[in-house]
Amino acid sequence: RKEVEQDPGPFNVPEGATVAFNCTYSNSASQSFFWYRQDCRKEPKLLMSVYSSGNEDGRFTAQLNRASQYISLLIRDSKLSDSATYLCVVNPLSGGYQKVTFGTGTKLQVIP
Amino acid sequence: EAQVTQNPRYLITVTGKKLTVTCSQNMNHEYMSWYRQDPGLGLRQIYYSMNVEVTDKGDVPEGYKVSRKEKRNFPLILESPSPNQTSLYFCASSSANDRLRQPQHFGDGTRLSIL
Repeated sequence: RKEVEQDPGPFNVPEGATVAFNCTYSNSASQSFFWYRQDCRKEPKLLMSVYSSGNEDGRFTAQLNRASQYISLLIRDSKLSDSATYLCVVNPLSGGYQKVTFGTGTKLQVIP
Repeated sequence: EAQVTQNPRYLITVTGKKLTVTCSQNMNHEYMSWYRQDPGLGLRQIYYSMNVEVTDKGDVPEGYKVSRKEKRNFPLILESPSPNQTSLYFCASSSANDRLRQPQHFGDGTRLSIL
């Protein structure tokens, strides 16, 4: 089993739709989680950190489910500009070393 | 402006010719890392460094070397490049102040083609 798994998509959704992605991780000791956005072959950019209590930033909501070992990203009212690949990132070690693991990404295409 | 700078952005070279991709950050970050990104495989970590003179292997270190003589610089060295090292490379850095919440800042990437 991969350390971090994501559905590669693509998810094709109309503008205004709500879309959700999940990302599962295998190491139950994982401590920190992030969602990054990557536009075509450009550098990944931090979208949001994922906290135990869940967090929201405008149209984006991230949640962590430790019992089932997954994180989720919900995008409401999708915009054309949301079209990108969304990468989940997991730090598998508690403090100490920074050997982070990236998922392979989920591609989102928002359609007019 | 806070940034991670990689050079070169693009490089086409031939098998066996040693090359270095530089990475520099101006945020005084302790942690730096190199990744390669290939279609279908996502971002894979090559090497990382927790601080000056402290480096460790990531998931795919074979064929690469790194050094961390100064805090701001973390060059990636390919002593004898081979075609399977053709890839898109990213350097990243982050602060170690809060060890559990360390989003990384990425450079613009280096497209490397080994013929």
